[in-house]
Amino acid sequence: SAVISQKPSRDICQRGTSLTIQCQVDSQVTMMFWYRQQPGQSLTLIATANQGSEATYESGFVIDKFPISRPNLTFSTLTVSNMSPEDSSIYLCSGSGPVEQFFGPGTRLTVL
Amino acid sequence: DQQVKQNSPSLSVQEGRISILNCDYTNSMFDYFLWYKKYPAEGPTFLISISSIKDKNEDGRFTVFLNKSAKHLSLHIVPSQPGDSAVYFCAINDMRFGAGTRLTVKP
Repeated sequence: SAVISQKPSRDICQRGTSLTIQCQVDSQVTMMFWYRQQPGQSLTLIATANQGSEATYESGFVIDKFPISRPNLTFSTLTVSNMSPEDSSIYLCSGSGPVEQFFGPGTRLTVL
Repeated sequence: DQQVKQNSPSLSVQEGRISILNCDYTNSMFDYFLWYKKYPAEGPTFLISISSIKDKNEDGRFTVFLNKSAKHLSLHIVPSQPGDSAVYFCAINDMRFGAGTRLTVKP
């Protein structure tokens, strides 16, 4: 199994600003993912973070709004850019196991 | 295009009884189905999975059943315990999750 940590655990931000969330895995994982969970809803996959190359985004998510980096096999960042109140959500990163995923504790973002 | 559906947003059961959580899917071309459990302020944790070539997988108090003809997946927890109270998500192996079912087990 893998243990995943995220920073910050929560933040309150002003409209129009950007926030970068860090995700650290304690062991190498093949794939890392970023999810969003809006209030009362399911986990929605934002993108697959690819090591050393551009992330692969799901429909409805674009690099300009959610730039992602993955410089090595154990670290990734997600930036939420030019935030609006609609971006208030929990953002989770995960790493892939043989079958299952291991999730970080999430970052609770509130945009005022 | 919601490929994984959990139609019951909540379920309440008495301690010691069976909890049955249901999930329906639309696409048959997946290798694995998974259940995750999520407590408040924590990330989801993997609970149990089932390969598409099987119809049942059991792990302690947790059993997952797969009915491929009905495209239906269910998680049985028996006996249910108050610590099982959480949100349960079913997922398919391309990282898509259902909406979740909040299980409350009453002492």
